[in-house]
Amino acid sequence: TQLLEQSPQFLSIQEGENLTVYCNSSSVFSSLQWYRQEPGEGPVLLVTVVTGGEVKKLKRLTFQFGDARKDSSLHITAAQPGDTGLYLCAGGYYGGSQGNLIFGKGTKLSVKP
Amino acid sequence: DSGVTQTPKHLITATGQRVTLRCSPRSGDLSVYWYQQSLDQGLQFLIQYYNGEERAKGNILERFSAQQFPDLHSELNLSSLELGDSALYFCASSARDRGGYTFGSGTRLTVV
Repeated sequence: TQLLEQSPQFLSIQEGENLTVYCNSSSVFSSLQWYRQEPGEGPVLLVTVVTGGEVKKLKRLTFQFGDARKDSSLHITAAQPGDTGLYLCAGGYYGGSQGNLIFGKGTKLSVKP
Repeated sequence: DSGVTQTPKHLITATGQRVTLRCSPRSGDLSVYWYQQSLDQGLQFLIQYYNGEERAKGNILERFSAQQFPDLHSELNLSSLELGDSALYFCASSARDRGGYTFGSGTRLTVV
């Protein structure tokens, strides 16, 4: 069974701080996606990375896919209260019994003003 | 509005009952996925349909079933409900079998 481990599980920081959350697996994925979920809502896709070593930036968010395509990180610069939410990584692959995405359990981020 | 519509938003029912959750995918998306989300298990994949055909099956109990209709909307049927079935149920759609998913807002099921 393919697993995605996310760390830390919980993170509480002050507005303006930087943070990094991690997503690790022993499996190789064809792509890696990051979603953010707010209470009472479904996850919303932030980014998809497909090439080992790829780095993508979305305003204050920087996403990196590991060279071996087994891990990924999300770095937020100068966090704001609006960044609060559950961050989920999802590994993509073709076929199998899990649809096409395996989700980690998420990092719950709280940014205090 | 993500474009994926799920109804109802909330559902409270008794143990042993049967419920149907409905999902309308984003316009043009052929794939529909159902997920169950609980606090301790995270997002668990249940089942995928592609253009009316079952494509993949995950951790779906035998008491649960789903289908996708010709107009591409999908229904998830949950029967003989148990307390442990209380969770958020999400539907997602995608344009192809790979790529990012668009999720609905979910149905919160409470079994009492």
